Amino acid sequence: LAKTTQPISMDSYEGQEVNITCSHNNIATNDYITWYQQFPSQGPRFIIQGYKTKVTNEVASLFIPADRKSSTLSLPRVSLSDTAVYYCLVGPKGFNKFYFGSGTKLNVKP
Amino acid sequence: EAQVTQNPRYLITVTGKKLTVTCSQNMNHEYMSWYRQDPGLGLRQIYYSMNVEVTDKGDVPEGYKVSRKEKRNFPLILESPSPNQTSLYFCASTVDWSTDTQYFGPGTRLTVL
Repeated sequence: LAKTTQPISMDSYEGQEVNITCSHNNIATNDYITWYQQFPSQGPRFIIQGYKTKVTNEVASLFIPADRKSSTLSLPRVSLSDTAVYYCLVGPKGFNKFYFGSGTKLNVKP
Repeated sequence: EAQVTQNPRYLITVTGKKLTVTCSQNMNHEYMSWYRQDPGLGLRQIYYSMNVEVTDKGDVPEGYKVSRKEKRNFPLILESPSPNQTSLYFCASTVDWSTDTQYFGPGTRLTVL
């Protein structure tokens, strides 16, 4: 599995767009990039997954440059309820093991 | 409602006293997994199961056992718990091994004295 590097923490204010970058220099050709969100005392929740370029759903957007060595999770107009830890995972579909790492703790302030 | 349930949610026990944390899902998922979460270490995978009677070790399997006798249940067994197994445990399931979207249970906070 490709090793990932994320900032330990980030601060933002309500209504701002937040971009969390994940570095994965050793990403393999068949690896996908998946992001999860975890609120305190809850299990992680799937947010978005992508392979290349841009993916958007009702919650977030995921930007992946051509070299795929990094990815950026974009949360539009965050609210206090977006305060959580965000995990970037990289691995091939169907791989049995999942490596969450320590994630990025996002703190949204009023 | 589609969900993953865990019991108990909180448990305080003593060293060496065998315990089982149950995990059940009602989504007919084939793949199930156990994680532990510790401050500063993120989530680490303990064991996973690709289907009934098929289990394998994750990154931190020492001190744990699992079984998968039926599709919906995946209990985590600590035969002789030790204080270093004090942690927050999560069970997760997904449709099958080819899908990355895991659904997590609410967590079990275990304290071993």
